Amino acid sequence: GEDVEQSLFLSVREGDSSVINCTYTDSSSTYLYWYKQEPGAGLQLLTYIFSNMDMKQDQRLTVLLNKKDKHLSLRIADTQTGDSAIYFCAGAQNRDDKIIFGKGTRLHILP
Amino acid sequence: AAGVIQSPRHLIKEKRETATLKCYPIPRHDTVYWYQQGPGQDPQFLISFYEKMQSDKGSIPDRFSAQQFSDYHSELNMSSLELGDSALYFCASSLDAYNSPLHFGNGTRLTVT
Repeated sequence: GEDVEQSLFLSVREGDSSVINCTYTDSSSTYLYWYKQEPGAGLQLLTYIFSNMDMKQDQRLTVLLNKKDKHLSLRIADTQTGDSAIYFCAGAQNRDDKIIFGKGTRLHILP
Repeated sequence: AAGVIQSPRHLIKEKRETATLKCYPIPRHDTVYWYQQGPGQDPQFLISFYEKMQSDKGSIPDRFSAQQFSDYHSELNMSSLELGDSALYFCASSLDAYNSPLHFGNGTRLTVT
């Protein structure tokens, strides 16, 4: 089955770029997701990428996928205080398969 | 845009009681997933339904059951509640089509005392 690993904490200064990394084990993962969770709130889908893509950009967010290393990253440009949250990496084999979450990376914004 | 609706938002129950959580998927979405997120934990998959049939099962206790109805809404029934069942329960929905990611509701926070 899928196993998703990500670092637990990241501190970034306001205005800098944040890069959150994730590795996954199942090379057949078709869909890879990034979800954002603010304290006490739900899971907000930020972006997702298909395994046949290398990169996806959406405004301040850039997702990079290295299939060979099974490594996924989320870059947030011009990090703001509102970006402070837990970011979950998640993978799924098929669109209609369950998704497996990483432990989440807690992004802390320094003034 | 319409989102996944979960009710109630908060629920407080005592040990050994029963709880029912409801999920209303995004219109036209035919697949529903249930996840459990304990304090400080990542969400864990419980069960999923596609077209009213159970499609996959995860770490769902035998004390829990779920179903998807003809209008595609789903209910998670939890009996003989234990303190360890206190968690945030998320429902997600998706459309069985290419390029359709999972969208999560805001969750139901269950507290068992």
